Amino acid sequence: AQTVTQSQPEMSVQEAETVTLSCTYDTSESDYYLFWYKQPPSRQMILVIRQEAYKQQNATENRFSVNFQKAAKSFSLKISDSQLGDAAMYFCASNYGGSQGNLIFGKGTKLSVKP
Amino acid sequence: GAGVSQSPSNKVTEKGKDVELRCDPISGHTALYWYRQSLGQGLEFLIYFQGNSAPDKSGLPSDRFSAERTGGSVSTLTIQRTQQEDSAVYLCASSPGTGTFTEAFFGQGTRLTVV
Repeated sequence: AQTVTQSQPEMSVQEAETVTLSCTYDTSESDYYLFWYKQPPSRQMILVIRQEAYKQQNATENRFSVNFQKAAKSFSLKISDSQLGDAAMYFCASNYGGSQGNLIFGKGTKLSVKP
Repeated sequence: GAGVSQSPSNKVTEKGKDVELRCDPISGHTALYWYRQSLGQGLEFLIYFQGNSAPDKSGLPSDRFSAERTGGSVSTLTIQRTQQEDSAVYLCASSPGTGTFTEAFFGQGTRLTVV
């Protein structure tokens, strides 16, 4: 069975500092994607960054980057120059069945940003 | 529409009553997903529609849950004889198709409270 584990229920970071959110996963898929979603109080899930498992290069989107360790099945998210608007729940997810909407989610990490 | 629209935004119902939750996907999106997010948990897959194919119902937790998608567009998730454990946020997502490069876009969800 596929699983996604986020071991940090809550994290806190000072504005302008860097924070790393951890995620480990297990999958039987031969080709898959990994995702980080942000969920603000509005409840809408917003895709932050996506990593294709067959690509060794870590994905980067502006201030957001990942450290993808395929052998270790680890997929952490680094947020640089943290902003107040980054405060939210962050969910790590893995897809299955070849579709990017069939997703297995972790339980999330609540990120607080201190001014 | 501009995004995935869900209604109602919030719903309070008495235990034992039936409820219907509606999802309007992004126009032209052929894939539609329902997820459930219980308090403090990640998202749990419920059901997946792709075009005219038979839906993947493997995530539905019991036979009290059903969903349909009319005309390949609007979807309704029905919960019969609601129980307190059904209280959760129900999120809908849509994507252009099953291609590996299609992103799933989420609505803002319906918060269901069973009293």
